[in-house]
Amino acid sequence: DSGVTQTPKHLITATGQRVTLRCSPRSGDLSVYWYQQSLDQGLQFLIQYYNGEERAKGNILERFSAQQFPDLHSELNLSSLELGDSALYFCASSPREGRGNTIYFGEGSWLTVV
Amino acid sequence: GENVEQHPSTLSVQEGDSAVIKCTYSDSASNYFPWYKQELGKRPQLIIDIRSNVGEKKDQRIAVTLNKTAKHFSLHITETQPEDSAVYFCAASLQTGANNLFFGTGTRLTVIP
Repeated sequence: DSGVTQTPKHLITATGQRVTLRCSPRSGDLSVYWYQQSLDQGLQFLIQYYNGEERAKGNILERFSAQQFPDLHSELNLSSLELGDSALYFCASSPREGRGNTIYFGEGSWLTVV
Repeated sequence: GENVEQHPSTLSVQEGDSAVIKCTYSDSASNYFPWYKQELGKRPQLIIDIRSNVGEKKDQRIAVTLNKTAKHFSLHITETQPEDSAVYFCAASLQTGANNLFFGTGTRLTVIP
């Protein structure tokens, strides 16, 4: 158990809908990251937050947004869902900003868009 | 941004043999290079990492080497066992305030008993 908690574990929804994925980082970790992994694909970095502020943005679609709350949990919002958005979405956390901090992954949220 | 390339995409070895996975990166400012192991349907788990002030690091049967001049790093697994079968990802972290990892495309390692 990495200490990073993600909910829901599985989610099935229809095209055009909107979903919210939730992440609680490890206790004391200030940085939260979101990654997308499509079937048999690599890990695509979406976005990073540090202590409530957006720090880095990767290949995140405009239909997607995220935020980190004062209690440091984070949510990833996916809207106008398309079939191609079906993927495993990982949240990860690390203790602080700065180079070389180990990043720990949660178990992921499986999203299936039908 | 950073671009990490990983080879091979699949690798099959006999149990007991060694496996080597290689990665290259594009940004010379990157200075942190972790390796993650991901079993089917599970989360990536850190198995070893190396920082740019070190050329080689070893942990039991796993070792990582780094060549900053050539911008490449490699994972070496010796005496492979069936439980080593998984997808392995290399990653690089930019030398900035942010700490986001850029991952390679993964190597599916199969250890044949």
